[in-house]
Amino acid sequence: KAGVTQTPRYLIKTRGQQVTLSCSPISGHRSVSWYQQTPGQGLQFLFEYFSETQRNKGNFPGRFSGRQFSNSRSEMNVSTLELGDSALYLCASSLAGTEGYGYTFGSGTRLTVV
Amino acid sequence: GQQVMQIPQYQHVQEGEDFTTYCNSSTTLSNIQWYKQRPGGHPVFLIQLVKSGEVKKQKRLTFQFGEAKKNSSLHITATQTTDVGTYFCAGYSGGGADGLTFGKGTHLIIQP
Repeated sequence: KAGVTQTPRYLIKTRGQQVTLSCSPISGHRSVSWYQQTPGQGLQFLFEYFSETQRNKGNFPGRFSGRQFSNSRSEMNVSTLELGDSALYLCASSLAGTEGYGYTFGSGTRLTVV
Repeated sequence: GQQVMQIPQYQHVQEGEDFTTYCNSSTTLSNIQWYKQRPGGHPVFLIQLVKSGEVKKQKRLTFQFGEAKKNSSLHITATQTTDVGTYFCAGYSGGGADGLTFGKGTHLIIQP
């Protein structure tokens, strides 16, 4: 079966711009989580959506937002980009989220802010 | 918020030697998961532990969950070059707003 699909794979944006990243989870998976990965901070939790509702949110500024659609596809948006937002953004899907199922990660979107 | 500490940050071993990474949480966990990320790749789920004192094995890999459900370890016996990568633990304390919290990982480097 198809894995978790993230688009685009690579993105270069200018400071101050905004960006939208997309994630299509594995068919049947209702939970989608987003993580930011950087060499210094590792994997940092952004938010988790389950059945279109944000269930958990990490410690990121309000410039980071997300949503989930009825088909479980998810998007995350970063507004007013800063240089420090350069990172690998990973989406992960799960049958039901953190209660007891492992996550399947996508290949990520590499965002570079210049 | 919940914190998950993982040590060591880097581990160099000769091929054939054993390897262990340790994970410690600031809060009691309802479950802990382990992931492996190859260089240039994305994290891949290895296993989940739920019960206090649980031990699970996958071929040369042994995973343990502490009695207090605040620490865990991954042990690899007789490492092979295919074991190269970063091993992450990730814990969930349940009911909070932290989601699944990842440790910073242990980078395993194997010298042939």
